[in-house]
Amino acid sequence: AQSVTQLDSQVPVFEEAPVELRCNYSSSVSVYLFWYVQYPNQGLQLLLKYLSGSTLVKGINGFEAEFNKSQTSFHLRKPSVHISDTAEYFCAVYNSGYSTLTFGKGTMLLVSP
Amino acid sequence: DVKVTQSSRYLVKRTGEKVFLECVQDMDHENMFWYRQDPGLGLRLIYFSYDVKMKEKGDIPEGYSVSREKKERFSLILESASTNQTSMYLCASSFGSGGSYEQYFGPGTRLTVT
Repeated sequence: AQSVTQLDSQVPVFEEAPVELRCNYSSSVSVYLFWYVQYPNQGLQLLLKYLSGSTLVKGINGFEAEFNKSQTSFHLRKPSVHISDTAEYFCAVYNSGYSTLTFGKGTMLLVSP
Repeated sequence: DVKVTQSSRYLVKRTGEKVFLECVQDMDHENMFWYRQDPGLGLRLIYFSYDVKMKEKGDIPEGYSVSREKKERFSLILESASTNQTSMYLCASSFGSGGSYEQYFGPGTRLTVT
């Protein structure tokens, strides 16, 4: 199985500031990558995914991520965050052959006024 | 909309009890998954299933078993609950081969074992 590293366990940021949540994955021939968001006391919701094609992927709620094969990274960005973006964010990589996902340990985004 | 439902949002059980967590999906997905989520550890895969009657061990199967008698339903069983199984349990489902690879999650069951 592949592995995913989310370098930051917590990212505090002020409202309307830009944010980047970092994700690195172990290399493989073909990679399918995902970002999920979890609001308090809820399940995970898909933010965006990279399967192929353009390396810049746009998702819901104004988030986007860039797939960088040479750096084995898939960082999540938003140019201006809102209080409502406060949540935990998980990066995941697809394990072909098993149809499973391997998740990072999560990054808690804390947006304050 | 894909819907994955879990039988309970909160559950409190005693040590040694047999615990059943139920998960139902309504999108005719082939694959179903059980995870546990603990602070600082992210999501860890317990068991998964590709089809009815089939099951595969994930990363942390010890102390758990599963049952999939119908395509839409996947049950997680704690044969004899222990306090170290206090956790958030998440169920997910996805299409089989040829699908879009993403998983759809239920709302989670927060289990406390006392």
